[in-house]
Order: sequence, then structure tokens, then C-alpha cells
Amino acid sequence: DAGVIQSPRHEVTEMGQEVTLRCKPISGHDYLFWYRQTMMRGLELLIYFNNNVPIDDSGMPEDRFSAKMPNASFSTLKIQPSEPRDSAVYFCASRSTGTPGANVLTFGAGSRLTVL
Amino acid sequence: AQRVTQPEKLLSVFKGAPVELKCNYSYSGSPELFWYVQYSRQRLQLLLRHISRESIKGFTADLNKGETSFHLKKPFAQEEDSAMYYCALRDTGRRALTFGSGTRLQVQP
Repeated sequence: DAGVIQSPRHEVTEMGQEVTLRCKPISGHDYLFWYRQTMMRGLELLIYFNNNVPIDDSGMPEDRFSAKMPNASFSTLKIQPSEPRDSAVYFCASRSTGTPGANVLTFGAGSRLTVL
Repeated sequence: AQRVTQPEKLLSVFKGAPVELKCNYSYSGSPELFWYVQYSRQRLQLLLRHISRESIKGFTADLNKGETSFHLKKPFAQEEDSAMYYCALRDTGRRALTFGSGTRLQVQP
């Protein structure tokens, strides 16, 4: 298994543009999480899904952020319009339930977003 | 609501010195605590979890419910321990982890 796959690895865009980040979780994992990492605030949970259904989106900063999980193998995080303060590393993570180590998250490599 | 506090943003020690990365939490129930580590140019990965009561790469962490702490310790730091360390908490009713703001450990030769 290639692990959690995120794309793009790096994105540089201008303020006002739409940004779409993508994630492919580990096959068989039923939970998917989106986190944002910044120097000031560390790792913040944005939203998470269980069996493709959003469970908690209370961490989504504002209406400019949206996330979808149309199927078990794909999720997107969209920012529209983007702002410089959205610059951060966005991590996707997944995990399974009912297996040894069920509460352990497996993280992707992250998508580094820079909004100019 | 649960909260995880890592008071030090940066901890710098010399090789061979003891290390203690502090983590305090606030949660009214019985939490599950973790330490995650991110080495340079690598993915965030699990270091250890309190229910396992194990030592990984020489690191240990004891859950102290009285002090609501889960400090990470290692008696003799190595240069390869230099990384970003995150303490995390999972409450029994929520599937997501709440992370602290992280501590960067620098081990100097």
C-alpha cells in the first residue's frame, strides 16, 4: 500500500483563486481527516468523515472552505476564494476501526499551500 | 472541550543530555494520549501511545491523571531525535485527535 496520497505537494496561487487539494486514503480505512498545520497554531482539525459522511466540520475556518468525500477512495478540500492567511500545510490522514492500532492515524505527506 | 498544551515551541539540548517534552491536557473523561513525531522531510507518524506503555526509540511517556500531563522523556538524547513532536488526545466520544501546537526538539552535537 502506498499509504495516504495527497496532491498537489506544493501549490502557489494568487489571492482570490480557487484551490483544490486532493486525498486518497488507505484502502479499507473508514475514517478520513483533514488537518491544517501552521507555525503559530500547530495542527488543527478542519473536518473528518466516517464512511464518506462528514461527521464534524466545526474546525472549518469559514464558508470559503469546503470538503467532500464522494467515495471511499477520494476526498477534496476546496478553498474559494483563497486568501494569504490560508497559507499552510494541509494534511490528510486516515484510519480504520476494529483492527489492531485502530486509533492510530496514518498521515499523507501534506500539501504546502502558498497564497500570494 | 478537550485541549492539549505544549508550552515549549523549541527545546534545544546537547547530545547525551536528558530530554523532557511537556504536554498537559484538559479533558473531563478518560483520554487516550499519543505522541506523534515529524522528522525533517518525512510524514507525521506515531511515536507512542499511553495505552501501550512501551518505549520507542528510547522515549517513554507516562500518563499522570492527577497532573493531567503526558510528558515525553528520553534519558540520553541523540542527534537523530531532532524533529517536531506533537502531543495528541482522543476522547472516547470523538474519533478525531486534538493536537497540541508542537515542540521542535533540536539535539546539538
